[in-house]
Amino acid sequence: AQSVTQPDIHITVSEGASLELRCNYSYGATPYLFWYVQSPGQGLQLLLKYFSGDTLVQGIKGFEAEFKRSQSSFNLRKPSVHWSDAAEYFCAVGGNTGFQKLVFGTGTRLLVSP
Amino acid sequence: DVKVTQSSRYLVKRTGEKVFLECVQDMDHENMFWYRQDPGLGLRLIYFSYDVKMKEKGDIPEGYSVSREKKERFSLILESASTNQTSMYLCASSQPGGETQYFGPGTRLLVL
Repeated sequence: AQSVTQPDIHITVSEGASLELRCNYSYGATPYLFWYVQSPGQGLQLLLKYFSGDTLVQGIKGFEAEFKRSQSSFNLRKPSVHWSDAAEYFCAVGGNTGFQKLVFGTGTRLLVSP
Repeated sequence: DVKVTQSSRYLVKRTGEKVFLECVQDMDHENMFWYRQDPGLGLRLIYFSYDVKMKEKGDIPEGYSVSREKKERFSLILESASTNQTSMYLCASSQPGGETQYFGPGTRLLVL
């Protein structure tokens, strides 16, 4: 069965510092992988996705993620965090079936300190 | 831009009431989804639909039903609301073939 693990419930980063959010997945075939961000009281916004090809994926707002098949990981990174990045981040895995059901991780809440 | 709208941002209902949550998307997407979001549990799939009048159970369908009479509209129904259904409900839509899901802003439901 598909599953996603985000081992960090909360992370605090200083503004301007680099960020890495961890995501490990379990999936029987080649996965489709997503990172979404949720600002307080809002729905989810897609940051980036990996379907195939280059394993380093660029997204919006300066985020990137790297797919590592050998480690079953899809970690999200940003070189310099801004206060506006404070939000909850969700990793999700899906497949290439027509229904595209996604399985989400439990989320990582990012706090940005001045 | 894809737009997914949900009928209410906040709802307060009483135990035993019948509750309707409405979701509308404007991009002619085939697939639509209902999730609930709870702290520490992430998003869990309640029901999804891949075509008009078609529905499939997700991971936690108990206590819920859905209706999809038109392609753009997907309704979640709580037949008899209970306090353990207090949650944030998120609707999403997508095209088939592994494409991105687009989310609405969510409905925060409180059942007293």
